[in-house]
Amino acid sequence: DVKVTQSSRYLVKRTGEKVFLECVQDMDHENMFWYRQDPGLGLRLIYFSYDVKMKEKGDIPEGYSVSREKKERFSLILESASTNQTSMYLCASSSRGGSETQYFGPGTRLLVL
Amino acid sequence: EDQVTQSPEALRLQEGESSSLNCSYTVSGLRGLFWYRQDPGKGPEFLFTLYSAGEEKEKERLKATLTKKESFLHITAPKPEDSATYLCAVQPQNSGYSTLTFGKGTMLLVSP
Repeated sequence: DVKVTQSSRYLVKRTGEKVFLECVQDMDHENMFWYRQDPGLGLRLIYFSYDVKMKEKGDIPEGYSVSREKKERFSLILESASTNQTSMYLCASSSRGGSETQYFGPGTRLLVL
Repeated sequence: EDQVTQSPEALRLQEGESSSLNCSYTVSGLRGLFWYRQDPGKGPEFLFTLYSAGEEKEKERLKATLTKKESFLHITAPKPEDSATYLCAVQPQNSGYSTLTFGKGTMLLVSP
């Protein structure tokens, strides 16, 4: 079974703090993705990575950065958290070629005060 | 621009009352259409991938079908444990990195 894990289920941070969200997958997938999910807006792609040290902007990259130093690990960084970044953050991974199905982690619910 | 519209936004069924969820899409060539189930506070769980018009896939009480413009998720004799939000997503042919465009989901509630 594919397993994608995220470092925290719930996180509370203060405005201006630097926030790290980590994601680890155990299926040797080349592609990894970060989404945020908000009521009424659905899932929106923040960043994705198709290889170690490679990254591409998604639809809403502003205020976020990412890091992928190892194939199995993809980090999302909020450089200076703001209240409008309160959301559910979801990580996913997929293989390159074949079905390319994205498999999701359990999510991190982030509250920025 | 790729677009995915799911309807209805919410659906309430009695246990055993069969129904269908709709996913209409606009994409410049379809590589794949994906269905996911999401329980409250959890990540989406993969259900099906459909690749070409006419294709059907089944899993327990769920059956997904695909045409050139839409997909249906048919739920036969649902049970309360089928209550969840069902998400549809498309992957275009020209998606170099297997990115997906998601619909906003249909929230299904099955009452006993």
